[in-house]
Amino acid sequence: SQQGEEDPQALSIQEGENATMNCSYKTSINNLQWYRQNSGRGLVHLILIRSNEREKHSGRLRVTLDTSKKSSSLLITASRAADTASYFCATDALGSARQLTFGSGTQLTVLP
Amino acid sequence: NAGVTQTPKFRVLKTGQSMTLLCAQDMNHEYMYWYRQDPGMGLRLIHYSVGEGTTAKGEVPDGYNVSRLKKQNFLLGLESAAPSQTSVYFCASSRSGTGVSGANVLTFGAGSRLTVL
Repeated sequence: SQQGEEDPQALSIQEGENATMNCSYKTSINNLQWYRQNSGRGLVHLILIRSNEREKHSGRLRVTLDTSKKSSSLLITASRAADTASYFCATDALGSARQLTFGSGTQLTVLP
Repeated sequence: NAGVTQTPKFRVLKTGQSMTLLCAQDMNHEYMYWYRQDPGMGLRLIHYSVGEGTTAKGEVPDGYNVSRLKKQNFLLGLESAAPSQTSVYFCASSRSGTGVSGANVLTFGAGSRLTVL
């Protein structure tokens, strides 16, 4: 069963706009991570937010975490065509022996 | 720096054939994982290892076996391939520990695309 579910499944925006992706999960977590996957490639870690954190920034990325709603959002500001990729949230659930469970991903297309 | 290397990158099998996917990491990571990725399903954990000589089942272990004889290598075996095992397989590794910054951040290989006819 998948712990995280991303929304929307697909998102298409113009270059320069902001992109927001959401992730909902089911059980209590140690941390939540976001990964990016370019077409035909492996996943690359973007950012990790711990369960006691509410917001985190890294460059053009902003992640929020609401543990009461069991949800997270990833905001990419000033999107570029090179941001076109699939984005996955992954949760490290309490008692999971440090396994990460991935959602089904959001396909982001940034049009030039 | 190679990171995580998977071989082969592509393979076509007939139903009932066997094969092994090899994953090698050069980061001295304790933990290693095998995931499969299917359209619309995200990544699902097949097996994982928390150290040399240890393995454990993930979410979808049936039809697969693994071995971790050396810390840097994690092998995924299919004894009798089935069409349902057509997928892209990803190996990943991470450092061990709890409460450590970046403790279970995964580094992924580029993937191995397997087709079973």
